[in-house]
Order: sequence, then C-alpha cells, then structure tokens
Amino acid sequence: SAVISQKPSRDICQRGTSLTIQCQVDSQVTMMFWYRQQPGQSLTLIATANQGSEATYESGFVIDKFPISRPNLTFSTLTVSNMSPEDSSIYLCSVESSNYGYTFGSGTRLTVV
Amino acid sequence: AQRVTQPEKLLSVFKGAPVELKCNYSYSGSPELFWYVQYSRQRLQLLLRHISRESIKGFTADLNKGETSFHLKKPFAQEEDSAMYYCALSDAGGYQKVTFGTGTKLQVIP
Repeated sequence: SAVISQKPSRDICQRGTSLTIQCQVDSQVTMMFWYRQQPGQSLTLIATANQGSEATYESGFVIDKFPISRPNLTFSTLTVSNMSPEDSSIYLCSVESSNYGYTFGSGTRLTVV
Repeated sequence: AQRVTQPEKLLSVFKGAPVELKCNYSYSGSPELFWYVQYSRQRLQLLLRHISRESIKGFTADLNKGETSFHLKKPFAQEEDSAMYYCALSDAGGYQKVTFGTGTKLQVIP
C-alpha cells in the first residue's frame, strides 16, 4: 500500500496565524483526502483534493479557512488559516490504497494558543 | 447520508476473554465497511474490510445487511490488542469519502 509522509508532526501556533501541512505520497494517486480529528471525536472529512482542479469541501468547511493545493499526483498541502483555539486538532491526510482500504499519514497535532 | 455508530467509547476485557466491538451503520446505497485500528503513538491503519472476508490478527467482522451491523470480534483478547478501533463506511463504488464512527477504545486487562 501507499506510504505517506506528513509534516509537521506537531506544532504550537499563535492565534491569527496560519499553518501549512504537507503530505507526500510514494506513488501517484488520483485523490487525496484531508481529515480533522478534534479531541475526543471521530475523524471528519474536510475536503477531497484532485490534481489539477479545486478541492471539494465538505459541509462546514470552506476554502478561505482551509485552502488546499494539489500541484501533482504525489503531493498536497492543507493550510489552516487565521487560526483560533477551536482549530486545535489532529489533521490527517489519506489516500486510497491498492487494496481498496485507505492509508493515512501519521497526523499533525496542532495546538493553537 | 452516511452514518456510523459505535455505541461504546470504552470496552474493557480480560486477557483471553472474547471481544466484540459493535458497529452499526446507516446508508441508502451499497456500503463498503472497514475497521481501522490506531495503536498508541502509531498512525491509523486498516485492520480489515468486509469484502475481503479476511481474519487479521484473529479479528473477524461480518457484514449483516439486515441488522446494518459490522461488529468486530475476536475469540480471545490479547494485551497487544489494546488500541482505538474505528468502524468506517464508504460507497462500494470506490474513491468515495469515508465516514468514521466515533471509535471504541479497547482495553485488555492482563
């Protein structure tokens, strides 16, 4: 299955700033998915990123807050913009792997102070 | 809308006892069900999916469409099974978003 490198693994950020999270996959994939896992809650899909087109956002998530780039078939970034303490979460990227499951990055633990 | 329900936040069992992690789903289409596991300090990883009908690490799960359930079972729990377990659902057509349950923490008591 695909191997995903995600960074940073964690960060502590000041409110009002932005953080960009990167995901690198060791193979070409059509879609990459970005999830958020707030404390004590399940994973929630933020958006689906296709190469060469705008990301598709789920209800409750907007591009201005979570801009996504997908410059090629192996890389994507998610930016958390104008952060507030409510954005403190674990953010994960995911791709569909060859055995039809989904492979996840190791996650980025974000704390906004 | 897709929905996955895991009614137990925490399940504690003794080593050697049977384990059943409950999962119920709601989906009008043709679902594909998964179980994911996250061990302490490790990334989320696929444990098994219903269409493969595999037994992984002694765990099995049967899709019951009548009861809309996909419970995860293991006859004899081991300490290394202690982890967070997430039931998940996507459309069987592939390349669809995955909806996760809230997770169950399995604690195996030595």
